[in-house]
Amino acid sequence: DAGVIQSPRHEVTEMGQEVTLRCKPISGHDYLFWYRQTMMRGLELLIYFNNNVPIDDSGMPEDRFSAKMPNASFSTLKIQPSEPRDSAVYFCASSLSLRTGRLFFGSGTQLSVL
Amino acid sequence: DAKTTQPPSMDCAEGRAANLPCNHSTISGNEYVYWYRQIHSQGPQYIIHGLKNNETNEMASLIITEDRKSSTLILPHATLRDTAVYYCIVRVQTSSGSARQLTFGSGTQLTVLP
Repeated sequence: DAGVIQSPRHEVTEMGQEVTLRCKPISGHDYLFWYRQTMMRGLELLIYFNNNVPIDDSGMPEDRFSAKMPNASFSTLKIQPSEPRDSAVYFCASSLSLRTGRLFFGSGTQLSVL
Repeated sequence: DAKTTQPPSMDCAEGRAANLPCNHSTISGNEYVYWYRQIHSQGPQYIIHGLKNNETNEMASLIITEDRKSSTLILPHATLRDTAVYYCIVRVQTSSGSARQLTFGSGTQLTVLP
């Protein structure tokens, strides 16, 4: 398996633009997670899905952020409109179950909002 | 409140054992100790986890004290590629638990020196 695949690897955009980050989890994994990492706040859990259903989105910072999982092999994290303070590395991770505590992370998307 | 305490940074000579400590004095009886690491510009990577017995896998060994209030991750023969931030996490291993229990703190920056 190729692991968790995220795209794009880098994204540079201007304030006010819409940004869409994409993630393909490991096949067969029932859980998908979106994290954000900044120097100030470290690694934060934004939202996670179980069997394509959002379970906990309490970490989503504002209504400008939304996440979807239309099927078991694809998820998106959208920011609209984007702001400079959204600049961060966004990671997607997947897991077979919460019980194991073993998450497999993608390589992340480095987002810069100018 | 932080559940774990780790030194912010450590150095280790290449080829020597790296011993990374973690204090978790308030750990509950049903909480496991997990270790992840994050190499620069990559997503976190699971290393090992345990409850009370010492554990070993192809990556590392985990030594948990008898009172379970602290643990040590051991990389037996550190290489330059082991330079990374190492995170110690405690969580309940349950399928009904929230993913928010897997909280990444500041971790320990391990630098392996040539």
